[in-house]
Amino acid sequence: AQTVTQSQPEMSVQEAETVTLSCTYDTSESDYYLFWYKQPPSRQMILVIRQEAYKQQNATENRFSVNFQKAAKSFSLKISDSQLGDAAMYFCAYRANRDDKIIFGKGTRLHILP
Amino acid sequence: DTAVSQTPKYLVTQMGNDKSIKCEQNLGHDTMYWYKQDSKKFLKIMFSYNNKELIINETVPNRFSPKSPDKAHLNLHINSLELGDSAVYFCASSHSPGLAPDTDTQYFGPGTRLTVL
Repeated sequence: AQTVTQSQPEMSVQEAETVTLSCTYDTSESDYYLFWYKQPPSRQMILVIRQEAYKQQNATENRFSVNFQKAAKSFSLKISDSQLGDAAMYFCAYRANRDDKIIFGKGTRLHILP
Repeated sequence: DTAVSQTPKYLVTQMGNDKSIKCEQNLGHDTMYWYKQDSKKFLKIMFSYNNKELIINETVPNRFSPKSPDKAHLNLHINSLELGDSAVYFCASSHSPGLAPDTDTQYFGPGTRLTVL
C-alpha cells in the first residue's frame, strides 16, 4: 500500500529565514506524482508545487523548491525567505499515474515568527 | 472566477438528519472527488467520479451517496447523520489522465465544515 509520512507535526521558523519540511513515501509504482499543498487558516487547499517522478530535476516555484530523492523516496519542501503569509498546514501528497486518488500525509503546521 | 465552489461553507445540523453538500467546477475537468478532513486534519479520499461514473469508492458508510448530474457537478448526500460525520468535506476536480499537461493536479474547493450536534 502507498503511504505518505510527514514526521514533523509542527515547525517554526523566523521570518526571512529558510525552512525545510520533510516527507517520505512508500510505493512500488515507478510512475507517479508528488505534491505539496498548503492549507492556511482559511482552510483552502492550495497547490504549492508538484513533481513528476520521471523528472530528475527538482521542481521550483519562486521561493518554494523541493529536494526529490527518488531512490530514498524522499520529497522535502524548502521555503526560502519565509514570510508571515507562509504560516499554514503543509501537506505532502502522492498520486500514482494509473490512479485518480491522492494520498496525503498528516501535515506539518508551520509557524512563522516575526 | 471561482474554479471549484462548494455550498454551503458551514453546515450545522442535528443527529439523524439528512443533508447535502453541492460542488461545482468551471475548469472543464471531467473527474471530481470528495475528500474528508477529520479533526486531526487528516485528509482522505471518499469518492471519485469520471464523466459521471463512479471510479473510486473508498470504505465509506453507505449513508454517504455521491450524485453527479453532469461533469461539472458532484453533490454529496448524507443520510442519518452521526456525530462522527463532523468534519470538513472538500470537493476537488482534475482532468482525466493524458488529456492535458496537468492531469495529475487536483484543484480543491474551499471546503464545507459540517458539525453534527
